[in-house]
Amino acid sequence: EAQVTQNPRYLITVTGKKLTVTCSQNMNHEYMSWYRQDPGLGLRQIYYSMNVEVTDKGDVPEGYKVSRKEKRNFPLILESPSPNQTSLYFCASSRDRGYEQYFGPGTRLTVT
Amino acid sequence: AQTVTQSQPEMSVQEAETVTLSCTYDTSESNYYLFWYKQPPSRQMILVIRQEAYKQQNATENRFSVNFQKAAKSFSLKISDSQLGDTAMYFCAFMPLGAGNTPLVFGKGTRLSVIA
Repeated sequence: EAQVTQNPRYLITVTGKKLTVTCSQNMNHEYMSWYRQDPGLGLRQIYYSMNVEVTDKGDVPEGYKVSRKEKRNFPLILESPSPNQTSLYFCASSRDRGYEQYFGPGTRLTVT
Repeated sequence: AQTVTQSQPEMSVQEAETVTLSCTYDTSESNYYLFWYKQPPSRQMILVIRQEAYKQQNATENRFSVNFQKAAKSFSLKISDSQLGDTAMYFCAFMPLGAGNTPLVFGKGTRLSVIA
């Protein structure tokens, strides 16, 4: 089954404790992206990747890092989480830039 | 910068009736896609319908159709024969097709409740 998976689905952590949210797709997609969703703001892009080893900032990249060492995986790294990063996070992928994006199930992150 | 505006934060409709959700966007791009995504309580983002800006014909997917007015930069979603399972948050999204990044730019959403 074609899908985008994210782990964990739920995470509660404390300020400053490094964490990684994994994202994996099995569709051999070139383009991957991370979004965060906040009430009243819709979804906003954090980072994106057009291919292996090619990543760049989206609209709200501060406090986040990503890597793309393999085509299927695109982890989101929070080196020192803060409470303003409490949000719902989505990973998405598409076969190339400009194509329909498929979303993972979301990761609910709470930073206390 | 591109922006997407959904002017109706909440709407409700009786089961089996028709409802229209509004969306306007602002862009200087000439080539782009438009989407409607549905987010039910499960939080999964589900693509409902897509529209290529170069196509004049309005997209249709079963009970879902759009009214795309390119000159007015308007992209409304019509849901016919509403069902209880249509209860969800609906997001309008814009995707530019210029060189470089092609992020989805989302509106703030419309919460739709279908009432039995």
